[in-house]
Amino acid sequence: DAKTTQPPSMDCAEGRAANLPCNHSTISGNEYVYWYRQIHSQGPQYIIHGLKNNETNEMASLIITEDRKSSTLILPHATLRDTAVYYCIARTNNAGNMLTFGGGTRLMVKP
Amino acid sequence: KAGVTQTPRYLIKTRGQQVTLSCSPISGHRSVSWYQQTPGQGLQFLFEYFSETQRNKGNFPGRFSGRQFSNSRSEMNVSTLELGDSALYLCASSLGSLVNYGYTFGSGTRLTVV
Repeated sequence: DAKTTQPPSMDCAEGRAANLPCNHSTISGNEYVYWYRQIHSQGPQYIIHGLKNNETNEMASLIITEDRKSSTLILPHATLRDTAVYYCIARTNNAGNMLTFGGGTRLMVKP
Repeated sequence: KAGVTQTPRYLIKTRGQQVTLSCSPISGHRSVSWYQQTPGQGLQFLFEYFSETQRNKGNFPGRFSGRQFSNSRSEMNVSTLELGDSALYLCASSLGSLVNYGYTFGSGTRLTVV
Protein backbone atom coordinates (compact mmCIF):
# COMPACT_ATOMS: atom_id res chain seq x y z
CA ASP A 1 0.00 0.00 0.00
CA ALA A 2 1.19 3.50 -0.77
CA LYS A 3 2.21 5.63 2.19
CA THR A 4 -0.26 8.35 3.09
CA THR A 5 0.45 11.55 5.01
CA GLN A 6 -2.20 13.47 6.95
CA PRO A 7 -2.02 16.41 9.35
CA PRO A 8 -2.26 15.12 12.91
CA SER A 9 -5.09 17.44 13.89
CA MET A 10 -7.56 19.99 12.57
CA ASP A 11 -10.34 22.14 13.96
CA CYS A 12 -13.57 23.05 12.25
CA ALA A 13 -16.50 25.23 13.27
CA GLU A 14 -19.86 23.51 13.52
CA GLY A 15 -21.89 23.97 10.35
CA ARG A 16 -18.87 24.75 8.24
CA ALA A 17 -17.27 22.46 5.70
CA ALA A 18 -14.41 20.33 6.98
CA ASN A 19 -11.71 19.72 4.39
CA LEU A 20 -9.32 16.97 5.35
CA PRO A 21 -6.23 16.60 3.14
CA CYS A 22 -4.26 13.48 2.39
CA ASN A 23 -1.01 13.15 0.51
CA HIS A 24 -0.30 9.89 -1.34
CA SER A 25 2.40 10.89 -3.77
CA THR A 26 3.62 7.32 -4.41
CA ILE A 27 0.18 5.91 -5.17
CA SER A 28 0.10 3.44 -8.04
CA GLY A 29 -2.46 3.32 -10.80
CA ASN A 30 -4.46 0.47 -9.31
CA GLU A 31 -4.62 1.77 -5.75
CA TYR A 32 -7.85 3.18 -4.45
CA VAL A 33 -8.09 5.91 -1.83
CA TYR A 34 -10.25 4.92 1.13
CA TRP A 35 -11.42 7.05 4.01
CA TYR A 36 -12.50 5.73 7.37
CA ARG A 37 -13.20 7.51 10.62
CA GLN A 38 -13.13 6.39 14.21
CA ILE A 39 -15.26 8.04 16.81
CA HIS A 40 -13.95 7.65 20.33
CA SER A 41 -14.21 4.10 21.68
CA GLN A 42 -15.88 2.75 18.56
CA GLY A 43 -14.63 0.74 15.61
CA PRO A 44 -13.63 2.55 12.41
CA GLN A 45 -16.47 3.44 10.06
CA TYR A 46 -16.24 3.43 6.28
CA ILE A 47 -16.87 6.83 4.72
CA ILE A 48 -16.02 6.76 1.02
CA HIS A 49 -13.51 5.54 -1.52
CA GLY A 50 -12.41 6.40 -5.05
CA LEU A 51 -9.90 5.65 -7.78
CA LYS A 52 -9.69 8.61 -10.14
CA ASN A 53 -12.97 10.44 -10.22
CA ASN A 54 -14.44 12.57 -7.50
CA GLU A 55 -17.01 10.73 -5.45
CA THR A 56 -19.93 11.82 -3.29
CA ASN A 57 -22.24 9.96 -0.96
CA GLU A 58 -24.55 10.86 1.88
CA MET A 59 -21.66 11.29 4.29
CA ALA A 60 -18.97 13.12 2.36
CA SER A 61 -17.29 14.04 -0.89
CA LEU A 62 -13.89 12.84 -2.04
CA ILE A 63 -11.84 15.02 -4.34
CA ILE A 64 -8.82 13.35 -5.96
CA THR A 65 -6.32 15.49 -7.83
CA GLU A 66 -5.74 14.74 -11.49
CA ASP A 67 -2.27 13.34 -10.82
CA ARG A 68 -3.75 11.30 -7.94
CA LYS A 69 -0.95 12.38 -5.62
CA SER A 70 -3.34 13.85 -3.09
CA SER A 71 -6.98 13.92 -2.12
CA THR A 72 -9.36 15.83 0.12
CA LEU A 73 -12.27 14.51 2.13
CA ILE A 74 -15.02 17.08 2.49
CA LEU A 75 -17.68 16.99 5.17
CA PRO A 76 -20.01 19.70 3.81
CA HIS A 77 -21.67 20.75 7.05
CA ALA A 78 -19.70 19.45 10.01
CA THR A 79 -21.54 18.65 13.22
CA LEU A 80 -20.24 17.91 16.69
CA ARG A 81 -20.82 14.22 15.98
CA ASP A 82 -18.22 14.38 13.21
CA THR A 83 -15.49 14.82 15.83
CA ALA A 84 -13.31 11.77 15.20
CA VAL A 85 -10.01 10.52 13.86
CA TYR A 86 -10.10 10.32 10.07
CA TYR A 87 -7.90 7.83 8.24
CA CYS A 88 -6.85 8.01 4.61
CA ILE A 89 -5.66 4.70 3.17
CA ALA A 90 -4.34 3.83 -0.28
CA ARG A 91 -4.60 0.20 -1.32
CA THR A 92 -5.26 -2.13 -4.22
CA ASN A 93 -8.35 -4.23 -4.63
CA ASN A 94 -6.49 -7.52 -4.40
CA ALA A 95 -4.67 -6.88 -1.13
CA GLY A 96 -7.11 -8.97 0.84
CA ASN A 97 -9.51 -7.84 3.50
CA MET A 98 -7.02 -5.86 5.51
CA LEU A 99 -6.30 -2.20 6.02
CA THR A 100 -3.06 -0.46 6.91
CA PHE A 101 -3.89 2.50 9.12
CA GLY A 102 -1.61 5.45 9.62
CA GLY A 103 -1.91 8.06 12.32
CA GLY A 104 -4.93 9.79 10.80
CA THR A 105 -6.21 13.31 11.41
CA ARG A 106 -7.98 14.12 14.64
CA LEU A 107 -10.81 16.44 13.63
CA MET A 108 -12.34 18.53 16.38
CA VAL A 109 -15.63 20.18 15.48
CA LYS A 110 -16.28 23.13 17.75
CA PRO A 111 -19.56 24.89 18.50
CA LYS B 1 -29.72 -5.74 10.32
CA ALA B 2 -27.47 -6.58 13.25
CA GLY B 3 -23.93 -5.31 13.07
CA VAL B 4 -20.69 -6.96 14.03
CA THR B 5 -20.88 -8.18 17.61
CA GLN B 6 -17.83 -8.55 19.79
CA THR B 7 -17.84 -10.11 23.22
CA PRO B 8 -16.96 -9.36 25.88
CA ARG B 9 -16.74 -5.56 25.69
CA TYR B 10 -14.28 -5.32 28.55
CA LEU B 11 -11.87 -7.81 30.03
CA ILE B 12 -9.20 -7.73 32.72
CA LYS B 13 -6.61 -10.49 32.79
CA THR B 14 -3.42 -11.16 34.66
CA ARG B 15 -0.03 -11.39 33.00
CA GLY B 16 0.69 -14.95 31.92
CA GLN B 17 -2.94 -15.92 31.48
CA GLN B 18 -4.60 -16.55 28.16
CA VAL B 19 -7.72 -14.94 26.73
CA THR B 20 -10.27 -15.71 24.04
CA LEU B 21 -12.25 -12.99 22.30
CA SER B 22 -15.28 -13.59 20.13
CA CYS B 23 -16.61 -11.91 17.00
CA SER B 24 -19.95 -12.57 15.32
CA PRO B 25 -20.00 -11.10 11.81
CA ILE B 26 -22.91 -9.57 9.99
CA SER B 27 -25.23 -12.29 8.73
CA GLY B 28 -23.98 -13.58 5.39
CA HIS B 29 -20.47 -12.17 5.76
CA ARG B 30 -17.79 -14.81 5.37
CA SER B 31 -14.66 -12.78 6.00
CA VAL B 32 -13.58 -11.75 9.49
CA SER B 33 -10.49 -9.66 10.17
CA TRP B 34 -8.93 -8.78 13.51
CA TYR B 35 -7.03 -5.66 14.53
CA GLN B 36 -5.20 -4.47 17.62
CA GLN B 37 -5.31 -0.81 18.60
CA THR B 38 -2.89 0.66 21.12
CA PRO B 39 -1.97 4.29 21.83
CA GLY B 40 1.63 3.64 20.80
CA GLN B 41 1.21 1.53 17.65
CA GLY B 42 -2.21 2.61 16.46
CA LEU B 43 -4.41 0.22 14.53
CA GLN B 44 -2.59 -2.90 13.37
CA PHE B 45 -3.89 -5.82 11.35
CA LEU B 46 -3.68 -9.19 13.07
CA PHE B 47 -5.23 -11.72 10.68
CA GLU B 48 -8.13 -12.44 8.38
CA TYR B 49 -10.25 -15.55 8.07
CA PHE B 50 -12.44 -16.47 5.13
CA SER B 51 -14.50 -19.65 5.03
CA GLU B 52 -12.66 -21.04 8.06
CA THR B 53 -9.21 -20.50 6.50
CA GLN B 54 -6.65 -17.92 7.51
CA ARG B 55 -6.09 -15.83 4.42
CA ASN B 56 -3.80 -13.07 5.65
CA LYS B 57 -1.65 -12.57 8.71
CA GLY B 58 -0.04 -9.50 10.19
CA ASN B 59 3.27 -9.20 11.97
CA PHE B 60 2.39 -10.51 15.41
CA PRO B 61 4.00 -13.27 17.49
CA GLY B 62 2.62 -16.78 17.56
CA ARG B 63 0.95 -16.08 20.90
CA PHE B 64 -1.80 -14.48 18.84
CA SER B 65 -3.97 -16.99 17.04
CA GLY B 66 -7.44 -17.21 15.67
CA ARG B 67 -9.99 -19.45 14.10
CA GLN B 68 -13.26 -19.26 12.27
CA PHE B 69 -16.20 -21.57 12.58
CA SER B 70 -18.54 -22.86 9.90
CA ASN B 71 -21.10 -20.20 10.83
CA SER B 72 -18.41 -17.54 10.17
CA ARG B 73 -18.11 -16.59 13.83
CA SER B 74 -14.50 -16.07 14.78
CA GLU B 75 -12.42 -16.21 17.90
CA MET B 76 -8.98 -14.91 18.61
CA ASN B 77 -6.76 -16.20 21.37
CA VAL B 78 -3.80 -14.61 23.06
CA SER B 79 -1.69 -16.89 25.21
CA THR B 80 0.82 -15.98 27.89
CA LEU B 81 -0.48 -12.44 28.17
CA GLU B 82 1.97 -9.57 28.50
CA LEU B 83 1.31 -6.07 29.78
CA GLY B 84 1.82 -4.78 26.25
CA ASP B 85 -1.14 -6.81 25.02
CA SER B 86 -3.45 -4.33 26.71
CA ALA B 87 -5.37 -2.89 23.80
CA LEU B 88 -8.66 -2.48 22.03
CA TYR B 89 -9.20 -5.53 19.82
CA LEU B 90 -11.45 -4.91 16.85
CA CYS B 91 -12.91 -7.25 14.32
CA ALA B 92 -14.37 -6.41 10.95
CA SER B 93 -16.54 -8.52 8.70
CA SER B 94 -17.08 -8.40 4.99
CA LEU B 95 -19.23 -10.14 2.41
CA GLY B 96 -16.45 -10.30 -0.12
CA SER B 97 -13.54 -8.10 -1.12
CA LEU B 98 -12.92 -4.80 0.57
CA VAL B 99 -13.66 -2.85 -2.55
CA ASN B 100 -17.31 -3.72 -2.04
CA TYR B 101 -17.07 -1.42 1.01
CA GLY B 102 -19.12 -3.78 3.13
CA TYR B 103 -16.19 -3.89 5.53
CA THR B 104 -17.83 -3.22 8.89
CA PHE B 105 -16.11 -3.00 12.25
CA GLY B 106 -17.45 -4.00 15.61
CA SER B 107 -17.09 -1.82 18.71
CA GLY B 108 -14.23 -3.90 20.02
CA THR B 109 -13.12 -5.67 23.16
CA ARG B 110 -10.98 -3.64 25.52
CA LEU B 111 -8.45 -5.93 27.15
CA THR B 112 -6.47 -4.81 30.16
CA VAL B 113 -3.57 -6.96 31.31
CA VAL B 114 -2.43 -6.35 34.89
